[in-house]
Amino acid sequence: NAGVTQTPKFQVLKTGQSMTLQCAQDMNHEYMSWYRQDPGMGLRLIHYSVGAGITDQGEVPNGYNVSRSTTEDFPLRLLSAAPSQTSVYFCASSLTVTDTQYFGPGTRLTVL
Amino acid sequence: AQSVSQHNHHVILSEAASLELGCNYSYGGTVNLFWYVQYPGQHLQLLLKYFSGDPLVKGIKGFEAEFIKSKFSFNLRKPSVQWSDTAEYFCAVFSSGTYKYIFGTGTRLKVLA
Repeated sequence: NAGVTQTPKFQVLKTGQSMTLQCAQDMNHEYMSWYRQDPGMGLRLIHYSVGAGITDQGEVPNGYNVSRSTTEDFPLRLLSAAPSQTSVYFCASSLTVTDTQYFGPGTRLTVL
Repeated sequence: AQSVSQHNHHVILSEAASLELGCNYSYGGTVNLFWYVQYPGQHLQLLLKYFSGDPLVKGIKGFEAEFIKSKFSFNLRKPSVQWSDTAEYFCAVFSSGTYKYIFGTGTRLKVLA
């Protein structure tokens, strides 16, 4: 199993650009989530999904969209990048919502 | 609003010292509690978790945590730290009421050899 994979590892965007962060897992996990990690603020939940076709907002959803068309994939879309979205983004998955979450390696995003 | 507080942001210890990292949460309903660790250059991984039953839970690498419901606390402990425990530690709470995870701000532990 590859576990949870994220691409790209690094990305630099200009303000106003859009992009999609990819996340995939091969463990047949139902629950997937996106977090951002900022210094001094820990991990904050952006969006989550409890299964294909079902998504919901987390703590900091503004400026981000998600979709879950398959069990394996959970992409995060930045609609119009802003400097405040400069962060490290982590995707995680778990068999069910309360099981151990497995985290991807992260994407370091810089918005200029 | 639901929140998780980790009181120690940076901790520096010598090898063999004992460790206790504090974690308090604000939600009063049913919660599941977790400690995750992020070693330098590695993915976040689970140290231990509490769902129900014995409030003293044991995790990997000699870590343990005690759930004290009356204090809304889930402190992490290790009797004798090693240099390899240098990492960032995160407390997390899942609330069955809000169906969301909330993480604390993390504690950076540095263990001096």
